[in-house]
Amino acid sequence: TQLLEQSPQFLSIQEGENLTVYCNSSSVFSSLQWYRQEPGEGPVLLVTVVTGGEVKKLKRLTFQFGDARKDSSLHITAAQPGDTGLYLCAREYYTGNQFYFGTGTSLTVIP
Amino acid sequence: GAGVSQSPSNKVTEKGKDVELRCDPISGHTALYWYRQSLGQGLEFLIYFQGNSAPDKSGLPSDRFSAERTGGSVSTLTIQRTQQEDSAVYLCASSLAGQGFSPLHFGNGTRLTVT
Repeated sequence: TQLLEQSPQFLSIQEGENLTVYCNSSSVFSSLQWYRQEPGEGPVLLVTVVTGGEVKKLKRLTFQFGDARKDSSLHITAAQPGDTGLYLCAREYYTGNQFYFGTGTSLTVIP
Repeated sequence: GAGVSQSPSNKVTEKGKDVELRCDPISGHTALYWYRQSLGQGLEFLIYFQGNSAPDKSGLPSDRFSAERTGGSVSTLTIQRTQQEDSAVYLCASSLAGQGFSPLHFGNGTRLTVT
């Protein structure tokens, strides 16, 4: 199976705190994408990481791809209520552009 | 419209009835995906269409589920003899497959409730 495990499953923090969520697999990714999903909507792409060790920043969000390309993390600095949502990682299967999604991290930022 | 459109947005059906869910992808997107999402959970892959190739049906949970894509555009997901465990949000996505690391563009889903 194309299993992607995300942790933690649920996270509730106060506004202004920092947090990190993780996405792990036992197999190598060709690329990995992070999405955020708000209630009642479909997921929206945040970033794609491709190269082992790559770090990408999107305002207060920092994404890292592990050196071995088997894991990734998302770090949020000074979380805001607008960051609330379900964070999903997705890996591209090595052929055919098929995407498998992780189990998700549900983040709630309390004002 | 510019995005992926799904209809209906909500569907309530009785156990044993058949349902059809529709997806209109972004024009020009050759890849189309169906996923199922239970409350607050991750996305379960169902089926993938890419151009004129045979679809990847490996994620369909049973033979009650089927999908087709007509003319390389609109797709319909059909669930026959619905069961209560079929209750979920069904999400459709499209992408410019083959164009590098193309993101998936999702619709807002169809929330299916089987009573």
